[in-house]
Amino acid sequence: EPEVTQTPSHQVTQMGQEVILRCVPISNHLYFYWYRQILGQKVEFLVSFYNNEISEKSEIFDDQFSVERPDGSNFTLKIRSTKLEDSAMYFCASSEFPSGGLETQYFGPGTRLLVL
Amino acid sequence: ILNVEQSPQSLHVQEGDSTNFTCSFPSSNFYALHWYRWETAKSPEALFVMTLNGDEKKKGRISATLNTKEGYSYLYIKGSQPEDSATYLCAFHNNAGNMLTFGGGTRLMVKP
Repeated sequence: EPEVTQTPSHQVTQMGQEVILRCVPISNHLYFYWYRQILGQKVEFLVSFYNNEISEKSEIFDDQFSVERPDGSNFTLKIRSTKLEDSAMYFCASSEFPSGGLETQYFGPGTRLLVL
Repeated sequence: ILNVEQSPQSLHVQEGDSTNFTCSFPSSNFYALHWYRWETAKSPEALFVMTLNGDEKKKGRISATLNTKEGYSYLYIKGSQPEDSATYLCAFHNNAGNMLTFGGGTRLMVKP
């Protein structure tokens, strides 16, 4: 069964460093998402992406964050200058169609980011 | 800010027990309610997408109901098994876009 994959599974970085989290969505999916879960808190939406553009973003997704689909398979989340509060589990998701109504978003296993 | 709440936060049951938990969400601008099952170190697995008031969905021993007028959904597990141990997440989808707003999850532990 097709699945969303994410690399790395864990990343430790120093405050102020740039990190890139990678995702390979399900191959025929066209809509891509990033969510995060800070330890002990709810899963939060960051951004959705379609046709090489951001289609929606939350207040969390400020200028420190960017997303890119550099080739036909990868979808990346970059954090330019990490802060302690960026420590979280970051989930990538994809859907075949816009996630309205019946469309399921399929999630990857997450990347646990720890900023020291 | 959309408020999606789940209760209880955690639940310990014995193998064979049936159990249920609740997701509450805003009743206005409702579009869909998603349930996911999330085992540690694995991807959250989609269980159900529910859109109509009164919807009932079933997958094996797991079923869910939806009340959009009062803003709640129940997830039921009949005859819990140790492999049902996981965190169950609900996610609300309003008609404003593609984002899912998640509840805090119910962590279920089934003892053999």
